[in-house]
Amino acid sequence: SQKIEQNSEALNIQEGKTATLTCNYTNYSPAYLQWYRQDPGRGPVFLLLIRENEKEKRKERLKVTFDTTLKQSLFHITASQPADSATYLCALARPGAGSYQLTFGKGTKLSVIP
Amino acid sequence: GAVVSQHPSRVICKSGTSVKIECRSLDFQATTMFWYRQFPKQSLMLMATSNEGSKATYEQGVEKDKFLINHASLTLSTLTVTSAHPEDSSFYICSAKPGVINSPLHFGNGTRLTVT
Repeated sequence: SQKIEQNSEALNIQEGKTATLTCNYTNYSPAYLQWYRQDPGRGPVFLLLIRENEKEKRKERLKVTFDTTLKQSLFHITASQPADSATYLCALARPGAGSYQLTFGKGTKLSVIP
Repeated sequence: GAVVSQHPSRVICKSGTSVKIECRSLDFQATTMFWYRQFPKQSLMLMATSNEGSKATYEQGVEKDKFLINHASLTLSTLTVTSAHPEDSSFYICSAKPGVINSPLHFGNGTRLTVT
């Protein structure tokens, strides 16, 4: 079955540094991959979507890469700020699901230390 | 931007009672809404896909008679947890997709259910 792994449960970094989060998946070749941010006690908020034919996508201080050979996506936050502290989730659409039945990873809890 | 409102945000109920959770898309129509459940430090798990005007599609292992879903209109889906038990205590989150091509999912802020 489709499996998603975010191999760091928690990541602490110093303010101003670049945070890099990893998402690996198996048993599937998704057409695209999504990243969400979730704050405690809140629903996820969509950040970025990257398609299989895109190597990299940027949005302000965020950058996502997608390597379909390695079956891996990297999520970068540059010039990190304490306000970036949250849990970041990667998600894939189910095979043949019409694209919006998402399977989520467990998330990586990022803490940016001032 | 697209907003999904979920109500209530928190509910405490006694074992054996039923609880209804509402999910509304405030500024767009959603023919399909999704219900997720999240246990502490776990990923969001899809429970069911709610389709306006038709029966919901439940994921394997989710009891459809226990988790009743009604997608009454293009802007409202409800999840009723019937005969709740303490093990049903969790964070329930709905999401909806606007009809615009390539639009991402929008999530509600979740409902923290505690069954005593």
